[in-house]
Amino acid sequence: AQKVTQAQTEISVVEKEDVTLDCVYETRDTTYYLFWYKQPPSGELVFLIRRNSFDEQNEISGRYSWNFQKSTSSFNFTITASQVVDSAVYFCALRSSGTYKYIFGTGTRLKVLA
Amino acid sequence: SAVISQKPSRDICQRGTSLTIQCQVDSQVTMMFWYRQQPGQSLTLIATANQGSEATYESGFVIDKFPISRPNLTFSTLTVSNMSPEDSSIYLCSVPSGGVLSFFGPGTRLTVL
Repeated sequence: AQKVTQAQTEISVVEKEDVTLDCVYETRDTTYYLFWYKQPPSGELVFLIRRNSFDEQNEISGRYSWNFQKSTSSFNFTITASQVVDSAVYFCALRSSGTYKYIFGTGTRLKVLA
Repeated sequence: SAVISQKPSRDICQRGTSLTIQCQVDSQVTMMFWYRQQPGQSLTLIATANQGSEATYESGFVIDKFPISRPNLTFSTLTVSNMSPEDSSIYLCSVPSGGVLSFFGPGTRLTVL
């Protein structure tokens, strides 16, 4: 069975602090995709990043960076120098090749305090 | 990227009534998906809606409760029937884009009293 676990239900940081959101996944598939989505208070889901299972190269994009490690089935997301506008619920999701069905984690609510 | 709109954006309904949610996409797509997000919970796939065929429902969801229409390649509706407070959720439609990624609509926030 496929599963995505986000153990952190809520994180509070002070503005300008770095914060890492954890994601651990389970799948038996050899080809799959991992995603991070942001859900601000308005409710829409905003796509942030995706990674293929065969691409373990980590990446930095502005204040965002990702750490994908197949050996530990983790796909962690870091925000550097957090801002109040980063306050949202962040979802990690898994999708297998050959299907468009997403398996979402339970989300991590990030509060960035001024 | 696809532009997705949903109507209504939010609604408050009485127990026992039904609500139809509309999802409009700015491009033709073969598949559309409906998700439910209960308060404080994650997103759960309700069903896949293909144009010209009946929707495919996930375990725990049935057509009588969540009938879906897909009259063309840019539009779908989800009806929440005989509502109870447990149906209070955000309902989101989603479409695939670019082969791997999916985009999500803004959601319909439903409160059932």
